[in-house]
Amino acid sequence: QLQLQESGPGLVKPSETLSLTCSVSGGSISGSSYYWGWIRRPPGKGLEWIGNIYHSGNTYYNPSLKSRVTISVDTSKNQFSLKLSSVTAADTAVYYCARHRTYGFYYMDVWGKGTTVTVSS
Amino acid sequence: EIVLTQSPGTLSLSPGERATLSCRASQSVSSNFLAWYQQKPGQAPRLLIYGASSRATGIPDRFSGSGSGTDFTLTINRLEPEDFAVYYCQQYGTSQFTFGPGTKVDIK
Repeated sequence: QLQLQESGPGLVKPSETLSLTCSVSGGSISGSSYYWGWIRRPPGKGLEWIGNIYHSGNTYYNPSLKSRVTISVDTSKNQFSLKLSSVTAADTAVYYCARHRTYGFYYMDVWGKGTTVTVSS
Repeated sequence: EIVLTQSPGTLSLSPGERATLSCRASQSVSSNFLAWYQQKPGQAPRLLIYGASSRATGIPDRFSGSGSGTDFTLTINRLEPEDFAVYYCQQYGTSQFTFGPGTKVDIK
């Protein structure tokens, strides 16, 4: 059974870089038809798509975050990562990683449990 | 960028009633690109419906999706206690995914 698990610091200082990793188990990140990506939910708000990556390294980002986001993949470790630079309090959120179906139908069918990141000094 | 609007913002119903949730897109969306998710407090979102009307694996048949173009609907027949949650629609277009703001279904 495919499982995703987020990991990383729960507290980040303003202006610094948020870094999270998603570890994939029970399946290979190198499979076809799937991208791997990040979504967040700020407190009291809805879901916001951040971006995704294919095992080849091809990426797509939310235009509103593109200047600050980098998503990378390490197929040898079956992991992918998120870096968000110059964070502010507005980046405080629960961050989820998820598998993205991107062929024929487009949706996110397997999610990690989420990790809370607070931006505060 | 396609913007999704969901209505109502909150739906107050009793167990056993039917819930009808609306998702409207600012431009036409391919049905293949439209999905619905359920999120409960402290949990990750769960895929309910993809392709506008196909139930995901393990989703009870009281959940159904319909619609096309700019208007899509999620219907929950005979609400169970575990169905009270927030529901999001999601679309894909121009290489990005976007979510609607969500509809909260709470107990009346």
